[in-house]
Amino acid sequence: GAGVSQSPSNKVTEKGKDVELRCDPISGHTALYWYRQRLGQGLEFLIYFQGNSAPDKSGLPSDRFSAERTGESVSTLTIQRTQQEDSAVYLCASSLEGYVGEQYFGPGTRLTVT
Amino acid sequence: AQSVTQLGSHVSVSEGALVLLRCNYSSSVPPYLFWYVQYPNQGLQLLLKYTTGATLVKGINGFEAEFKKSETSFHLTKPSAHMSDAAEYFCAVSGPGGGADGLTFGKGTHLIIQP
Repeated sequence: GAGVSQSPSNKVTEKGKDVELRCDPISGHTALYWYRQRLGQGLEFLIYFQGNSAPDKSGLPSDRFSAERTGESVSTLTIQRTQQEDSAVYLCASSLEGYVGEQYFGPGTRLTVT
Repeated sequence: AQSVTQLGSHVSVSEGALVLLRCNYSSSVPPYLFWYVQYPNQGLQLLLKYTTGATLVKGINGFEAEFKKSETSFHLTKPSAHMSDAAEYFCAVSGPGGGADGLTFGKGTHLIIQP
């Protein structure tokens, strides 16, 4: 069956450029999450969507980061003016509303800022 | 705020030996606890979770974990390691809003299986 998909799988960009990362959740999953995984670190929670609403954006690392979601489907995470410290794997997960913790993760997008 | 500590960034065991991966948490509310596994070049997969009820929970691939409130621990075990168990394992705790707050993850433990 279809799982969570993310694109691109790898992205190399120059410092200062903008990047857009995409996540397609499992159909019917109303909740969507973005995480960042730096090398040798655990996952860092960035933002959560319930439907197309993100009630709390305080987890985003800086104002260069933004995210949006169209209805209960695709979400995009945009990083403006990328910096080298943005290099990481960005993971997306989705879950059924109210189903605690059963988050299904995508394979991630590996972002390298040179 | 929640936090998760995984003791040992790398754990090496022989094939057939007991696997023990340690996880301690802090939470201001009754926690929901999870173990995820990440195989090379794959996404995270839920191994098992504790929400309420029985404190010993069984997951996939023969893994189990026991929630010990007095020790604030949720260690992961498997009686007999298999080569296919080699992977990165993450312990996580959910926020007070349940799944809506996202998960707080530990830094992960890389499990190495020696033949």
